[in-house]
Amino acid sequence: RKEVEQDPGPFNVPEGATVAFNCTYSNSASQSFFWYRQDCRKEPKLLMSVYSSGNEDGRFTAQLNRASQYISLLIRDSKLSDSATYLCVVNGWGDKIIFGKGTRLHILP
Amino acid sequence: DTAVSQTPKYLVTQMGNDKSIKCEQNLGHDTMYWYKQDSKKFLKIMFSYNNKELIINETVPNRFSPKSPDKAHLNLHINSLELGDSAVYFCASSETTGGDIQYFGAGTRLSVL
Repeated sequence: RKEVEQDPGPFNVPEGATVAFNCTYSNSASQSFFWYRQDCRKEPKLLMSVYSSGNEDGRFTAQLNRASQYISLLIRDSKLSDSATYLCVVNGWGDKIIFGKGTRLHILP
Repeated sequence: DTAVSQTPKYLVTQMGNDKSIKCEQNLGHDTMYWYKQDSKKFLKIMFSYNNKELIINETVPNRFSPKSPDKAHLNLHINSLELGDSAVYFCASSETTGGDIQYFGAGTRLSVL
């Protein structure tokens, strides 16, 4: 199993729809999980940390499933400005932070 | 005030040349990183420094030499540039090692001709 794995997409979703991505990780000892967002030709920026109990920030909800070793990101009422690549980030072996290859999201008007 | 700044933003050079990219952070963080993002957009860690000490060195050719004069700066020197070095190089910093949030610079777009 790859250290961090994401569906590359692209996900083409109409504006206003709900979309969800999953990300699986291989290191059962991982403690830190994040979703980053990267716009075209820009640097990655933190979208949200993922807590064990799950957390919500406006239209965005992140969940962690330790038993199945995946994290998820749910975006409700999607906006055109949500179009970006979403990167799953997990701390791996020896405190190393590992980025997934990203899931591309296109919100269609 | 930019938190993590790297220069130059664009770098176009010939094969075989030597070039450097500079990075500075004003966040007071202990840990800094260099990442390479290739044409397939995969972001891969190259090096990590904590308080000027090298802590992560992925399987990067020894033509790449990072240098951290102090914990606020992490520069990347590349010798004998090759076509395959063309990529976007991102510098980042975090408060400490491991599971902290990382803050990225705007990237340096390197094109080797």
